Amino acid sequence: QQQVKQSPQSLIVQKGGISIINCAYENTAFDYFPWYQQFPGKGPALLIAIRPDVSEKKEGRFTISFNKSAKQFSLHIMDSQPGDSATYFCAPTSGTYKYIFGTGTRLKVLA
Amino acid sequence: SQTIHQWPATLVQPVGSPLSLECTVEGTSNPNLYWYRQAAGRGLQLLFYSVGIGQISSEVPQNLSASRPQDRQFILSSKKLLLSDSGFYLCAWSVWGGTKNEKLFFGSGTQLSVL
Repeated sequence: QQQVKQSPQSLIVQKGGISIINCAYENTAFDYFPWYQQFPGKGPALLIAIRPDVSEKKEGRFTISFNKSAKQFSLHIMDSQPGDSATYFCAPTSGTYKYIFGTGTRLKVLA
Repeated sequence: SQTIHQWPATLVQPVGSPLSLECTVEGTSNPNLYWYRQAAGRGLQLLFYSVGIGQISSEVPQNLSASRPQDRQFILSSKKLLLSDSGFYLCAWSVWGGTKNEKLFFGSGTQLSVL
């Protein structure tokens, strides 16, 4: 059974602060580790993703940190902005048809 | 560029009525297609996926069904809706890239309320 555990469930951060969301998985066959961002009433959209051959990937204010031995990966949002307020999902995959999504983290960035 | 169309955006249906939600993808061939359901404030539950015309895999036993009559068309149906069918329904697609399925692209969703 593929398990994906995401934490925290909700997060409140001041504008300019750092938001950190974690995802723990069990399936060692996973080899693609994405984060999706979903705004209310919209479908999720791919935000950033990493492969296991690197430990960190940065795109603008968004960074993924990957810890293969701990079977965890994290999303870091630097200089968090009110526009980042959304729900974030991790969805590690091994390239099969089944995408297992985490339970989601609702982020609110206070102005 | 690829686009995904999903309609309607909102739908209010009485219990026991039928359902038909449609999703179409443009700008790509042979996509893998998916139906997800999201309860209010919850995660995404995979309902069905399809790797080709007429090929449907069901992930969750329920009174919903899916069909893929054309390569880029995916339909979610029910003969009789239940209250528990309420939720946000999302269509998504991915492309078989070599040996990997990776990025998922979602439609804008249908908010279904069963009353």
